[in-house]
This record gives sequence, C-alpha cells and structure tokens, in this order.
Amino acid sequence: DGGITQSPKYLFRKEGQNVTLSCEQNLNHDAMYWYRQDPGQGLRLIYYSQIVNDFQKGDIAEGYSVSREKKESFPLTVTSAQKNPTAFYLCASSMSSGSVEQFFGPGTRLTVL
Amino acid sequence: QQQVKQSPQSLIVQKGGISIINCAYENTAFDYFPWYQQFPGKGPALLIAIRPDVSEKKEGRFTISFNKSAKQFSLHIMDSQPGDSATYFCAASTPADDYKLSFGAGTTVTVRA
Repeated sequence: DGGITQSPKYLFRKEGQNVTLSCEQNLNHDAMYWYRQDPGQGLRLIYYSQIVNDFQKGDIAEGYSVSREKKESFPLTVTSAQKNPTAFYLCASSMSSGSVEQFFGPGTRLTVL
Repeated sequence: QQQVKQSPQSLIVQKGGISIINCAYENTAFDYFPWYQQFPGKGPALLIAIRPDVSEKKEGRFTISFNKSAKQFSLHIMDSQPGDSATYFCAASTPADDYKLSFGAGTTVTVRA
C-alpha cells in the first residue's frame, strides 16, 4: 500500500527543545516537501528536496533544518530558534520536481509548551 | 505576501445547494491550478486541477471555472452534501519555480443537512 507516513501524529515539546518530525514515502518519488499550516494562512513551504542529498529553502525556512540521506525519507527538525513552532506540519512528495501533482501525508501536530 | 488570494474564508450551504469558492492570482507564469480538499486532522488531497488552456473542467459534482484574462479561477460544488464539509485550498504553480505550489488561505465549507 503506497503512501506517505508521518510520525508521530501528535507531538508535545517544551520550549527550547529541538524536535524532529518523521516523513517516509514508498511511492518512489524523487521530490519531497515540508509545509507548515496555521489557521487562516493556508500552507507555507518550509523546505523541499528534489533529489537525495540536496534540498532548498522554502518561504519560511528560518528555525528549521532538514536532511535527505535516503530517497524515501525527509525528516524535519524544528529547532529552538523557531520563534513560534506550534503548528500542523505536512509532508508531501511528487514524482519529480517537474511533476505538478503533490501527494500529502496525514500531518503531525506539534505543540510547544 | 500571498500569491494566491482566496475567498470567502468560510461559507455555509444547505444540502443540495451550490458552493462557490474564488481565487485570484497575479503571476501570469502560473500554468497549473489545483484544488485540494482537507478534512480536519488530515492531509490535503487533490480534488481537481486545471491548466490555463481550458476555461472549465468538470469532475462529478466539482467544476473549476478559469478566466485567464481576469486571472481568476473558481471551484463550484454542485448538489453539496454533508460529506463535502471540509476546507478547500486553491493553489497555483509554474515551471519557472520548479512547480512549487503557492496556496490560498483556504475556505471552510459547512454543508447543513
């Protein structure tokens, strides 16, 4: 059963702690993306990766970091430098960077206390 | 600065009625316009998409109308059902920007039985 998995579904962290969100896909897609969703603001792109070992900043990359060591995995770290980290985080993938259709995972809701 | 402006923020429609959501854009390089449907706590799923070479695309009860000269496109949900209650996002992308999606802010549709 192909798809994108994100774990955990809910995550709670204390202020000042780094936290890593997992994203795995078995669709054999080259491109992967991380979005942040806040109420009333749509989805905003944090980072994206077109191929393994390469990634680019999106519109709101400050306070976040990523890695792409394997084609199927694209973890996102929310660092203590992110001023307002509480949000719903969505991972997506597409066949390649030139593919128009993106497929989304179920999301992780991060709450920083 | 949001590249795609979406309205209304929310709407309520009776079962069997028509829901209409509007989006406007400025970047004339956009050439792919998808609509995503998102249920609470889930990731968005592609609903329907259009290219600027056609003025209308219909899939079941969902229709996209596209006005290239006005730089506007809209989603019509015909015969709205309670199961259509969700948040809908319009988006746009261009090959000049690796087909990264620019999302509207979203419209929450509530269908009353």
